[in-house]
Amino acid sequence: QSVLTQPPSVSGAPGQRVTVSCTGTISNIGAGYGVHWYQQLPGTAPRLLIYDNDNRPSGVPDRFSGSKSGTSASLAITGLQADDEADYYCQSFDSRVRGPVFGGGTKLTVL
Amino acid sequence: EVQLLQSGGGLVQPGGSLRLSCAASGFRFTNYAMAWVRQAPGKGLEWVSSISGSGTSTYYADSVKGRFTVSRDNSNNTLLLLMSSLRAEDTAIYYCAKSGASGTLFSHGDYWGQGTPVTVSS
Repeated sequence: QSVLTQPPSVSGAPGQRVTVSCTGTISNIGAGYGVHWYQQLPGTAPRLLIYDNDNRPSGVPDRFSGSKSGTSASLAITGLQADDEADYYCQSFDSRVRGPVFGGGTKLTVL
Repeated sequence: EVQLLQSGGGLVQPGGSLRLSCAASGFRFTNYAMAWVRQAPGKGLEWVSSISGSGTSTYYADSVKGRFTVSRDNSNNTLLLLMSSLRAEDTAIYYCAKSGASGTLFSHGDYWGQGTPVTVSS
């Protein structure tokens, strides 16, 4: 059971917008710790997509955006493309665990 | 260019030990905390351990506390994970990751190693 809660799957047609939610508690997201998002293609290492809630590393398309409110955060992907099909993970810091915590991951299917 | 090149891993019997290495290049190694993150077959990401840039502060997930030891050799830009008393549930791909922010605590992984598989089985 993951500390952060994500939906197991989301889907959308090419060109559409999808969002992935990430729900935490007062010991992690609600405590003000940043939320980070990763994309993982099959058989590869995670790739950082969003850091500190809403910042994109260089090289990440602006189709990807992040937001945070209270004890939850969201990743939005606009203009869905076939190669966006992957697993997406949120991550924050937890004061009780005293370390990083991850969501269970969300599989994005592009229809 | 930042690179994290992992080595070690493999097949080990329950109760055995294994050492993982992560050779870093392309950044000032001592300035950043590092972490180990694992992924069991078909499962999500799980934080295992973190270490501060100086190596003086270490942190562990409850699932590995007392069995795993993280360390770093800052003179050779290498991160290490010594795993002992291994169990079947430790079977996973292990990734090393560089913190994206300076500071004692690992923030987020802006660069990741290629991953190395660890299988614990008799």
